[in-house]
Amino acid sequence: SYELTQPPSVSVSPGQTARITCSGDALPKKYAYWYQQKSGQAPVLVIYEDSKRPSGIPERFSGSSSGTMATLTISGAQVEDEADYYCYSTDSSGNHGVFGGGTKLTVL
Amino acid sequence: EVQLVQSGAEVKKPGESLKISCKGSGYSFTSYWIGWVRQMPGKGLEWMGIIYPGDSDTRYSPSFQGQVTISADKSISTAYLQWSSLKASDTAMYYCARGIGQLVYFDYWGQGTLVTVSS
Repeated sequence: SYELTQPPSVSVSPGQTARITCSGDALPKKYAYWYQQKSGQAPVLVIYEDSKRPSGIPERFSGSSSGTMATLTISGAQVEDEADYYCYSTDSSGNHGVFGGGTKLTVL
Repeated sequence: EVQLVQSGAEVKKPGESLKISCKGSGYSFTSYWIGWVRQMPGKGLEWMGIIYPGDSDTRYSPSFQGQVTISADKSISTAYLQWSSLKASDTAMYYCARGIGQLVYFDYWGQGTLVTVSS
């Protein structure tokens, strides 16, 4: 079955730039999406269609995709950005969604 | 305001059946997909499947095909996830979410339903 691969953890100091990667063979042809999940809460969409930001999401969140890798960038990470981040896309058929394994972002 | 409100936490025994619900409001329920996502304790998100209430088109992850049933009643804007025989390994938080776009990604999420299966 199709898989999206993320690093288990990323750690930065407040104000630094955090980059979280997601690799998958179908990403050259399928959009990537990113979700933020804080402890005990439902996920929240922070990036859709590779690089678009939903209303209400701070400008410090941005996304990009090149080849088989998508990247979520948090410029000037804040303590409140500490969360698990999941990339999401579909398999090559487009009929089945897939989440990456998740990346725990620590900001301290 | 788009809202997805899920049914409350459940505690069941192995072998029992269960149906949990997700009621949508604030949008046209028949014009968007509803998906179900599992999160086992301390683990990541898993895509289980989606349903389009407008025509009941349903797609399952191969990992969940045959293990659960996804359905919807458009007359009351409610989607369901059901099990015929629960196992301890079904213990998890289950989220419903509204699906949008050709690729069907999720833009709004329910609050989650915790299902605990224990003898």
